[in-house]
Amino acid sequence: GENVEQHPSTLSVQEGDSAVIKCTYSDSASNYFPWYKQELGKRPQLIIDIRSNVGEKKDQRIAVTLNKTAKHFSLHITETQPEDSAVYFCAATEMKTSYDKVIFGPGTSLSVIP
Amino acid sequence: NAGVTQTPKFQVLKTGQSMTLQCAQDMNHNSMYWYRQDPGMGLRLIYYSASEGTTDKGEVPNGYNVSRLNKREFSLRLESAAPSQTSVYFCASTTSPGTYYEQYFGPGTRLTVT
Repeated sequence: GENVEQHPSTLSVQEGDSAVIKCTYSDSASNYFPWYKQELGKRPQLIIDIRSNVGEKKDQRIAVTLNKTAKHFSLHITETQPEDSAVYFCAATEMKTSYDKVIFGPGTSLSVIP
Repeated sequence: NAGVTQTPKFQVLKTGQSMTLQCAQDMNHNSMYWYRQDPGMGLRLIYYSASEGTTDKGEVPNGYNVSRLNKREFSLRLESAAPSQTSVYFCASTTSPGTYYEQYFGPGTRLTVT
């Protein structure tokens, strides 16, 4: 079946450095790729998303890139801060008229060391 | 607005007991979802309701049933709990399928089955 792989599973960076999380997906019908951040004990919340007709999107310190041909997409966080520490989930979505088929990656636990 | 709310926050069940997890949203969303979150496995879809009056199976529906009581409420029932159902359960909602809007998650229910 369809799946989303996510790497690395854990990532530790020094404050101020950059962090990169990569995802690959198998369903070629996927056309929407959100990223969620989940702080410890809290609910996942959307931080950025990208549609299949766009190659890159940036919002302040975070950016997402998409390579539809290779079925890869990545999250880039620059100038990391301790409050960026969380679990990050990528997702590949096939948007249909009756149902959005969302497949989540297994998550990356990011630790930013002050 | 409260967004998406879930009750209870925590629950411990013995094997074979039953219970219902409640979810409600006040954002006038059409679509609602139930996920389970297990370590290293991301979020997996149990059931979804694309609109009031409809429900469908997701990736891992076995052992669960759902009811879309009205537009606001979507409940998840475990008829005979098993230790394999120990997990954190998240309810989510979104405006409508195919609209490129984020899924809003509830705070989660941590369920332990002994």
